[in-house]
Amino acid sequence: DTGVSQDPRHKITKRGQNVTFRCDPISEHNRLYWYRQTLGQGPEFLTYFQNEAQLEKSRLLSDRFSAERPKGSFSTLEIQRTEQGDSAMYLCASSLSQGRASGRLGEQYFGPGTRLTVT
Amino acid sequence: AQSVTQLGSHVSVSEGALVLLRCNYSSSVPPYLFWYVQYPNQGLQLLLKYTSAATLVKGINGFEAEFKKSETSFHLTKPSAHMSDAAEYFCAVYYNQGGKLIFGQGTELSVKP
Repeated sequence: DTGVSQDPRHKITKRGQNVTFRCDPISEHNRLYWYRQTLGQGPEFLTYFQNEAQLEKSRLLSDRFSAERPKGSFSTLEIQRTEQGDSAMYLCASSLSQGRASGRLGEQYFGPGTRLTVT
Repeated sequence: AQSVTQLGSHVSVSEGALVLLRCNYSSSVPPYLFWYVQYPNQGLQLLLKYTSAATLVKGINGFEAEFKKSETSFHLTKPSAHMSDAAEYFCAVYYNQGGKLIFGQGTELSVKP
């Protein structure tokens, strides 16, 4: 089965511009997560979906950030009015939910990430 | 609040030497614990996980980790380092009450020839 894919892999934008990233999860996974990783740090949770429902959002997710998963398959993460502090690697992961996971509970599979640079 | 602490942001070993990467977690309930590896400019790859079935867990690439409840630790080891093991390693905890993984700050492993 194919893994998690993310597009684009790299994005350079000017401060104040809007950007949108896409994530395609593993096809049978009903949960999808977004994390942000800055240099020298571990990934930090932003938000996650179960099917099309957004179940949790971190306080890191300011009003400029919005995520969607309209049909319970792929997801988009949009950042409006980008700031230099938004420069980071944005990681997407997918998994099975508790009812479906069996022995794989908690296992999240990550995509290659989108590296955002805001100039 | 749940947290994960990885002792040592950088660890350097010689090829063939023992690898020991330390991870401690804070928890009032038994967590699920994971180790992930990240190569430069790539996503994270699952190395192994602990889910209470056995305290010694074997993963890919010859790595293993031991869960010690009394020490709230889940240290990662490999008997003999290989050059290809050079990467960033992250310990993470998962709580069933929420969906997210909580990561440590990572340990960069260097392997000297």
